[in-house]
Amino acid sequence: ETGVTQTPRHLVMGMTNKKSLKCEQHLGHNAMYWYKQSAKKPLELMFVYNFKEQTENNSVPSRFSPECPNSSHLFLHLHTLQPEDSALYLCASSPQEFRDRANSPLHFGNGTRLTVT
Amino acid sequence: SQKIEQNSEALNIQEGKTATLTCNYTNYSPAYLQWYRQDPGRGPVFLLLIRENEKEKRKERLKVTFDTTLKQSLFHITASQPADSATYLCAPVTSYGKLTFGQGTILTVHP
Repeated sequence: ETGVTQTPRHLVMGMTNKKSLKCEQHLGHNAMYWYKQSAKKPLELMFVYNFKEQTENNSVPSRFSPECPNSSHLFLHLHTLQPEDSALYLCASSPQEFRDRANSPLHFGNGTRLTVT
Repeated sequence: SQKIEQNSEALNIQEGKTATLTCNYTNYSPAYLQWYRQDPGRGPVFLLLIRENEKEKRKERLKVTFDTTLKQSLFHITASQPADSATYLCAPVTSYGKLTFGQGTILTVHP
């Protein structure tokens, strides 16, 4: 149990579907993150939220839409995705955002394996 | 541009030996360096953090070094076990909070 729970663990969707990924953290952390992990590539930061406010959007296409209703929950809404968006999507949290405390370690969930057909 | 290189996409060693993984960075000066372990189908798990003014950090069988002159961190696992088999990620962090992951090294420890 990592303290960060992601659902679903696996998702297959067509390019015209709309789906959402959910992340919940039980660690009392203030910052939450979405990362994308593709095969043979480093983890790519997508979005950062600090105290439920978005503080970073790393040039992510608008077909990915994040939502953070409170410090414990984070969603990633998906629509009209492309096959190249297939990847492992990881949610993470940290006590404070990096800009506030640069040595803050990340606590990751186990990810959602997304396949776009 | 900033670049992180984890030498050896894959490393194979015999049980009981010391595994040494390398993380090199160029074109910037991180204030911290974090190391994570990732098992297949799982998210990364934080292992150790070392600051730029620390030469070495230890935790049980793990040891991390940070050489700001060489722009390199070494991650050692002593008395390695098959259960240590995983992908290890380094993540330099700048003083203003930019964290970037390396592509990882897949370690396999053979019985």
